[in-house]
Amino acid sequence: SQQGEEDPQALSIQEGENATMNCSYKTSINNLQWYRQNSGRGLVHLILIRSNEREKHSGRLRVTLDTSKKSSSLLITASRAADTASYFCATATSGTYKYIFGTGTRLKVLA
Amino acid sequence: EAQVTQNPRYLITVTGKKLTVTCSQNMNHEYMSWYRQDPGLGLRQIYYSMNVEVTDKGDVPEGYKVSRKEKRNFPLILESPSPNQTSLYFCASSFGTGTEAFFGQGTRLTVV
Repeated sequence: SQQGEEDPQALSIQEGENATMNCSYKTSINNLQWYRQNSGRGLVHLILIRSNEREKHSGRLRVTLDTSKKSSSLLITASRAADTASYFCATATSGTYKYIFGTGTRLKVLA
Repeated sequence: EAQVTQNPRYLITVTGKKLTVTCSQNMNHEYMSWYRQDPGLGLRQIYYSMNVEVTDKGDVPEGYKVSRKEKRNFPLILESPSPNQTSLYFCASSFGTGTEAFFGQGTRLTVV
């Protein structure tokens, strides 16, 4: 199966610091989305960036997309303990209706 | 309230005993899909449906069946469960692959 990969697998930071996680994928895409998952619960959508966009902001989130490198990054600024969760990228492959999720980054924000 | 509802939330069953996990959404979404989540492997798509009576295989369809007779429902069927299907399962729905997906709360299945 084609899997995206997040990097790092785990990240531990202090409250107030910024957290950056990266996602690489293998196919041509229509868009890339980031999701958050709290401890085995359902995923919650954070942000979507289309293949013709390079950067997008939403509150404390900043997402970049480099289609030439097939990679994306998610930056969470001024992190809070409540940001502790796993973060996944998901890509919608061009020409198909398939979603491919990455393996996730586990973020721990220490108060 | 807009939501995706899965049932049951937890299920322990024995090898070979047919089971169905239900999924229902109230947002009039065309696209629905099933995923399994295993440690270290992230989410892998099992099946998806673009609309009523239109389904297709994801990356890991072996051992699973689905049906989409109504727009709101997308059940996942395990005809003869095996221990390697022990996993956390999620149903999701959206207007399409270019829009935000809404996830159910998950079904933790154990096959012994």
